[in-house]
Amino acid sequence: DTGVSQDPRHKITKRGQNVTFRCDPISEHNRLYWYRQTLGQGPEFLTYFQNEAQLEKSRLLSDRFSAERPKGSFSTLEIQRTEQGDSAMYLCASSQNRAGAYEQYFGPGTRLTVT
Amino acid sequence: SQQGEEDPQALSIQEGENATMNCSYKTSINNLQWYRQNSGRGLVHLILIRSNEREKHSGRLRVTLDTSKKSSSLLITASRAADTASYFCATANQGGSEKLVFGKGTKLTVNP
Repeated sequence: DTGVSQDPRHKITKRGQNVTFRCDPISEHNRLYWYRQTLGQGPEFLTYFQNEAQLEKSRLLSDRFSAERPKGSFSTLEIQRTEQGDSAMYLCASSQNRAGAYEQYFGPGTRLTVT
Repeated sequence: SQQGEEDPQALSIQEGENATMNCSYKTSINNLQWYRQNSGRGLVHLILIRSNEREKHSGRLRVTLDTSKKSSSLLITASRAADTASYFCATANQGGSEKLVFGKGTKLTVNP
């Protein structure tokens, strides 16, 4: 299967701890997006990369959050000093330009629970 | 903030019936994408419709787009129990990131 993969699938952590999630996009896709989804809501945009450059960050991405995409391949999302409000599903998507549109394909997500 | 609003919020039908979900949005878009999400899982891409297109088909799915009314609809024909899921529309802005802005989704239940 050459879809988007995310690791881990589930993470339980205590408040104040740091966590890091990984996303491996579809190999030929140059864009990578991170979204967050809470229960009963649609996903909300956090940030995106074109190749290795982080081009946009949402105001949802506080200074406790950092994302990287070294070498334009996989990406990591780190949350420092986690808070209970960070509990959510973190989704990664990748895409490439097809006739002027970026069709985004999502991974299975990482469900974070902060206790 | 969420741009799209799906309607209805929940829909329950019998297997074999058609299901129609609507989506409204607020700003100009480059394209609109529909996704399916089974409980607690990732999103599955269903169909992308560009702003200059009015209708697209994919298997049992039919999507329409009316940019003058800023609305879209997803029709699933001859529904199956396996179609039970939440369905989201997401709009991509013109130029730049094409980040997706999602609505809250329609929860579809197909009863066998």
